[in-house]
Amino acid sequence: ETGVTQSPTHLIKTRGQQVTLRCSSQSGHNTVSWYQQALGQGPQFIFQYYREEENGRGNFPPRFSGLQFPNYSSELNVNALELDDSALYLCASSLVASNEQFFGPGTRLTVL
Amino acid sequence: AQSVSQHNHHVILSEAASLELGCNYSYGGTVNLFWYVQYPGQHLQLLLKYFSGDPLVKGIKGFEAEFIKSKFSFNLRKPSVQWSDTAEYFCAVNRAGSARQLTFGSGTQLTVLP
Repeated sequence: ETGVTQSPTHLIKTRGQQVTLRCSSQSGHNTVSWYQQALGQGPQFIFQYYREEENGRGNFPPRFSGLQFPNYSSELNVNALELDDSALYLCASSLVASNEQFFGPGTRLTVL
Repeated sequence: AQSVSQHNHHVILSEAASLELGCNYSYGGTVNLFWYVQYPGQHLQLLLKYFSGDPLVKGIKGFEAEFIKSKFSFNLRKPSVQWSDTAEYFCAVNRAGSARQLTFGSGTQLTVLP
């Protein structure tokens, strides 16, 4: 059974640029959630996708957007990057009816 | 909105000492409770979870937690820590009927001295 994978591992961008992060769900999982973990903080919920539609959103601006594909993989897109967007971005997959989420290793984004 | 508080930001213990990490949440409805661990350089892993039933739950690696509804608490315990328990520990909650989004505490860094 393959776990949750994310790419890339690390990424460096400059302010104002756009970035796309990718996530492959654990086998059989149909729901993907994205979290932002700033240094020294706990993860914060960005949004969740189920059946290729957004299924819940946290307190993040519209420049944070996402996609889910038919194979349940997902992308997180962030436009107009700001310095405060520097963080570890975590993807978690689950079954829609399950309370348990399984996390990937994360993508470390640095905005200069 | 729900929130989670972890009062200990950094805990330092010697091997074989007992551990208790505090977690309190604010939400009046039905919640599910979790403890996750993040070892250095590794991804978040589930230590244990509480959905319903016996309020004392046992997890992996000898960890346990007790849900006290009247105190809105879900403290993590281990009778005897090992050097390999050095990690960051996160308490998290979600509520039934939501998009299952997890609300995390700010984490507790545990350092176990050999």
